[in-house]
Amino acid sequence: ILNVEQSPQSLHVQEGDSTNFTCSFPSSNFYALHWYRWETAKSPEALFVMTLNGDEKKKGRISATLNTKEGYSYLYIKGSQPEDSATYLCALTDGSDKLIFGTGTRLQVFP
Amino acid sequence: DGGITQSPKYLFRKEGQNVTLSCEQNLNHDAMYWYRQDPGQGLRLIYYSQIVNDFQKGDIAEGYSVSREKKESFPLTVTSAQKNPTAFYLCASSTQGDQAQHFGDGTRLSIL
Repeated sequence: ILNVEQSPQSLHVQEGDSTNFTCSFPSSNFYALHWYRWETAKSPEALFVMTLNGDEKKKGRISATLNTKEGYSYLYIKGSQPEDSATYLCALTDGSDKLIFGTGTRLQVFP
Repeated sequence: DGGITQSPKYLFRKEGQNVTLSCEQNLNHDAMYWYRQDPGQGLRLIYYSQIVNDFQKGDIAEGYSVSREKKESFPLTVTSAQKNPTAFYLCASSTQGDQAQHFGDGTRLSIL
């Protein structure tokens, strides 16, 4: 059974700070890694789907890197804003249609 | 606008009752999924369906049932056999070639 771990569980930062958090997964049977942003009272929104070792993706101030050999992905937010406050989920697939989710990192950005 | 609609947003169930959660999508997606979220846990897969008239159990299917009679619809029934049904339920869909899943807003189910 694949196990996906995220750290930290929660994070509080000041507006303007840059931040990052981690998603760890078993490197065997890797096919793709997903990052989602889930704002309160909204539905989870896909940020990135990453498949290649060394891949780096960017969307505005948010970027993610992937290391499939050592089994981790980092999500970075540059110059955090209050609207970045959300729970960030990562999920792993082994090539089947199923996603295995981590428990998420809850980010709160204070003005 | 294309999207996924879950209804109702809040649902209350009496002990021993079956209850059905609705999920409809107009994205023309082939695959649909049901997840459950409990405090402190990640989303866990209940059932998924890759095509009409076919579905597979996820990791926590016991006490639940689904049907996929139409491409747009994937209702989830929480049966009385589900001993701890109080949770937040999310429906999602995806299409081949787009690995990302698209989610509804969720239904929160509570036991009276």
